[in-house]
Amino acid sequence: DIQMTQSPSSLSASAGDRVTITCRASQSIANYLNWYQQKPGKAPKLLIYAASSLQSGVPSRFSGSGSGTHFTLTISSLQPEDFATYYCQQTYSPRWTFGQGTRVEFK
Amino acid sequence: QVQLQESGPGLVKPSETLSLTCTVSGGSISSNYWSWIRQPPGKGLEWIGSIYYSGSTNYYPSLKSRVTLSIDTSQNQFSLKLISVTAADTAVYYCARVTTVITHDVFDIWGQGTMVTVSS
Repeated sequence: DIQMTQSPSSLSASAGDRVTITCRASQSIANYLNWYQQKPGKAPKLLIYAASSLQSGVPSRFSGSGSGTHFTLTISSLQPEDFATYYCQQTYSPRWTFGQGTRVEFK
Repeated sequence: QVQLQESGPGLVKPSETLSLTCTVSGGSISSNYWSWIRQPPGKGLEWIGSIYYSGSTNYYPSLKSRVTLSIDTSQNQFSLKLISVTAADTAVYYCARVTTVITHDVFDIWGQGTMVTVSS
């Protein structure tokens, strides 16, 4: 299986901060990488697909980049509604796997 | 607008079978792949498997021996059966629609999730 490792596991930030989350794959996955946001008690929501394509309706402060084994999710100016847990997911292999999640907390 | 709703028992005894159904409303199940994902309390997401309307399936290897997915196009539903459950199967279970954008698969619509506890 392709292992997905996110860093950091959690971070504290303030509204307005620029936040970057990293996701690394155990082998090359080209750009078959998605990002999801999950708020407590809610289902995950798709933010980014194909590493850098913004899902319809998602604010432009979210962006994704990377290819191969190294990917990043950036929130350019953190808003109060962005405090949540973020997951990366690979779909390169038929055995889809998620990262362990990064929790973004209020400083 | 397509919506998904999970249903099934919230409590299952150890060694028994967990059975859940996902009802699709606002659209036809006869397109797309459909998936189950679970999340143990306080932990991350784990993809369980996917099923196409034709009935073809794809399972996560570590669960493959215990999981069966099925689909009923007449009822616009798909289902999950997980046999021989243990406490480790306690989780929130989500159903989700898989949409393929060019060649990229995404979970674009999710159910609200249903908590299943394995306990005697």
